[in-house]
This record gives sequence, C-alpha cells and structure tokens, in this order.
Amino acid sequence: ETGVTQSPTHLIKTRGQQVTLRCSSQSGHNTVSWYQQALGQGPQFIFQYYREEENGRGNFPPRFSGLQFPNYSSELNVNALELDDSALYLCASSLASYGYTFGSGTRLTVV
Amino acid sequence: AQKITQTQPGMFVQEKEAVTLDCTYDTSDPSYGLFWYKQPSSGEMIFLIYQGSYDQQNATEGRYSLNFQKARKSANLVISASQLGDSAMYFCAMREHYGGSQGNLIFGKGTKLSVKP
Repeated sequence: ETGVTQSPTHLIKTRGQQVTLRCSSQSGHNTVSWYQQALGQGPQFIFQYYREEENGRGNFPPRFSGLQFPNYSSELNVNALELDDSALYLCASSLASYGYTFGSGTRLTVV
Repeated sequence: AQKITQTQPGMFVQEKEAVTLDCTYDTSDPSYGLFWYKQPSSGEMIFLIYQGSYDQQNATEGRYSLNFQKARKSANLVISASQLGDSAMYFCAMREHYGGSQGNLIFGKGTKLSVKP
C-alpha cells in the first residue's frame, strides 16, 4: 500500500492570488482531512471529507474550500491569499476515523 | 481554553536514556482517543502511539509507551533508550467523538526533543 502524497512540496504565491494543493490518499482510505500548521505551532484542523462530502470544518473562513474525488484524492483551495496563510499544509487520510496517515505537507509562502 | 496542553517547549535527553514528554487534555466527552506524533524537520507527521479512553492498559509500541492517567487527564509519552534519530518535534493530539467535527484531531503546540550524543 502507498502512503499519502502531497503536491507540490513548496509553493510561493502573491497576496490576493488563489492556490490549489493536492493530496493523494492512502489506498482504501475514504476520509481525508486537511490541517494548517503555522511556524512553531501545532496543526489546526481545516476540514474533513468523507466519501466526497464535507463532514467537519474547523474555524477557517469560506475562502478555504476543498474537494474529494471518487478515487479519494483531494484538493485544498485557498482564495484571496493573505500573508497569514503562509504555513505548512498537511493532508491526512484515514479509514473509519481510527488511524491517520499524514503526508509530508506543502509549504506555502505568501509574499 | 486549550484542549491539549504540552508544557515543555523543548527537552534535552542524553542518548540511551529515557525521557518523558508531558501532555494534559481537556474534554467532557467520555469517548475519546489520544495520539502522539513525531514530526522531523521534513514535515511529515509520523504516528507513534494511540490510547483510547476506555482502554484499561497503557499503550506500548516498541520503545514508546503512554502513561495514561485518566483522572488527571494526562497522557505522557515515555521514550526509552533514546536514539539520535529521536530528535524531532513531538505532538500530542486528541480526537473527540461528538459534534460536527467528529473525527478530527486537536493538537497541542508540541515539544522539541533534542537527543545529545
């Protein structure tokens, strides 16, 4: 079985732009969640998808949105980027919300 | 109020010695799970150990054990025989079982462990 793969690994965007981050889940995992980890902090929950439907959301504004596809891969979209959006974005896949397998993350820098 | 508290921003341990990383949690849910993750500089969160709130025995996984004290709401990670490769950030996390965000993890701020040769 493969692990969780995220792309790209690093990204630099300008304030106001839009960005799409991608995640390929571990085989067979039907739940994917996204986390934002600011420098020196623990990860913060953004949202979670189960069978292509959002079924949980943290304290993030609507400009953070996502999709989950039938093959369980996922996207995180962020519109109108702000400087504070600079962070490591982690994707985690799971089966039946027990074990979570994390990817290596996408490091986003907004300038 | 913080749900997961890790009071040690940084810890040092001598190679081959044991070290305890502290974690306290706050929840009113009787059903919850506690996790420890290791995050090296590469960024990936590596699962170490899990303890369910109804588990009678403390979890163990190789050199990792979890000192679970339910009444005190603490879930300390013990690493025995530290190795240089254990140097990393360590995060305690909790999963609750109620509400719209069922299934997501709540993380602490982490402890940076440095193993000295």
